[in-house]
Amino acid sequence: ELKVEQNPLFLSMQEGKNYTIYCNYSTTSDRLYWYRQDPGKSLESLFVLLSNGAVKQEGRLMASLDTKARLSTLHITAAVHDLSATYFCAVRYPGTYKYIFGTGTRLKVLA
Amino acid sequence: DAGVTQSPTHLIKTRGQQVTLRCSPKSGHDTVSWYQQALGQGPQFIFQYYEEEERQRGNFPDRFSGHQFPNYSSELNVNALLLGDSALYLCASQASTRVGYEQYFGPGTRLTVT
Repeated sequence: ELKVEQNPLFLSMQEGKNYTIYCNYSTTSDRLYWYRQDPGKSLESLFVLLSNGAVKQEGRLMASLDTKARLSTLHITAAVHDLSATYFCAVRYPGTYKYIFGTGTRLKVLA
Repeated sequence: DAGVTQSPTHLIKTRGQQVTLRCSPKSGHDTVSWYQQALGQGPQFIFQYYEEEERQRGNFPDRFSGHQFPNYSSELNVNALLLGDSALYLCASQASTRVGYEQYFGPGTRLTVT
């Protein structure tokens, strides 16, 4: 069974600091996704990573994928309060159309 | 371009009742998936519809069923509601022809079962 784990589960950081969220998955997969969710809202797609070594950046967020290690990272550079949200990674179960989400990382950026 | 829309926004039902939730996919998308998100949890995959057929199902009982219409819109039906069915139900659409199969989520329907 495919399992997707994120750490940390909770992250409180000061504005201007850098930090990394980790997403580990237990079975080989060909695609990984990162989403953002604000409280009471739906999910916003951030990144789609399709190959080993893929790196994508948008503003202060950068995501990377290492398929051999079954690991993706979401790096936050010089955090600002607007980045406060819950971040999820999701992996497609190999050979299926089923997507497994991680536990989520609740990020709070303090002014 | 309208994104994914869902109705209703909120719903309160009693145990044992039945509920139908609706989803219209983003323009150009032909695939619809449904997710259940309990409070403080990640979304759980219920099933996916493509070409009006359920082509993938998650670990949900048969009380959960769905339908996709020729215009690609979809319904999620839940019978014999339990208290544990209270959750945010999310619909996601994607275009089967696009590399990466990126999913776009609707605003969700918050279901409360009392």
